[in-house]
Amino acid sequence: AQTVTQSQPEMSVQEAETVTLSCTYDTSESNYYLFWYKQPPSRQMILVIRQEAYKQQNATENRFSVNFQKAAKSFSLKISDSQLGDTAMYFCAFMRGGGADGLTFGKGTHLIIQP
Amino acid sequence: DTGVSQNPRHKITKRGQNVTFRCDPISEHNRLYWYRQTLGQGPEFLTYFQNEAQLEKSRLLSDRFSAERPKGSFSTLEIQRTEQGDSAMYLCASSAGQSENSPLHFGNGTRLTVT
Repeated sequence: AQTVTQSQPEMSVQEAETVTLSCTYDTSESNYYLFWYKQPPSRQMILVIRQEAYKQQNATENRFSVNFQKAAKSFSLKISDSQLGDTAMYFCAFMRGGGADGLTFGKGTHLIIQP
Repeated sequence: DTGVSQNPRHKITKRGQNVTFRCDPISEHNRLYWYRQTLGQGPEFLTYFQNEAQLEKSRLLSDRFSAERPKGSFSTLEIQRTEQGDSAMYLCASSAGQSENSPLHFGNGTRLTVT
């Protein structure tokens, strides 16, 4: 079984700052995928970024980037130039190859962007 | 793309009653997932369909829970003899399944309150 750990229940930063959310995972799988999802107060989960475990290059999507350290089983999310609209719960998630049992989520980090 | 639609948005029921939720995935998405999310936690996997076949079920899915996807399109999740511990947000997600890591698209969820 896989586990995903997010050790920061809540973080607060000023608008325009850079913030890094931590995530570690545990698995014996060799083929897997990692994701960060955002859940704003409206509660619809939105995909932020994804990373294939077989790729060494860290994924980037505009202001969002990851630091994927496979050996350490670490998958942190960096948000640059944070905006008020980034305020949300952020969930790190794991999916093993095949996707049959879907995503395993961490408990989430509540990110608050202060004006 | 109208997104994943879930109905009802909210359901209040008395303990012991049966409830049924509906999920309409994104058109032509062959994979459909049900998750349960309690306050302060990440979503937990319940079950997975590929087309009309239910391929995976979590241990969380007791015999009071049943899910169907009769024609491989919409899905229903029924909870019989509801208990207060069933109070949660029930999320549905779908994906195209074209590749293993096709992103999951989530609905807004159905919030169940059992009194």
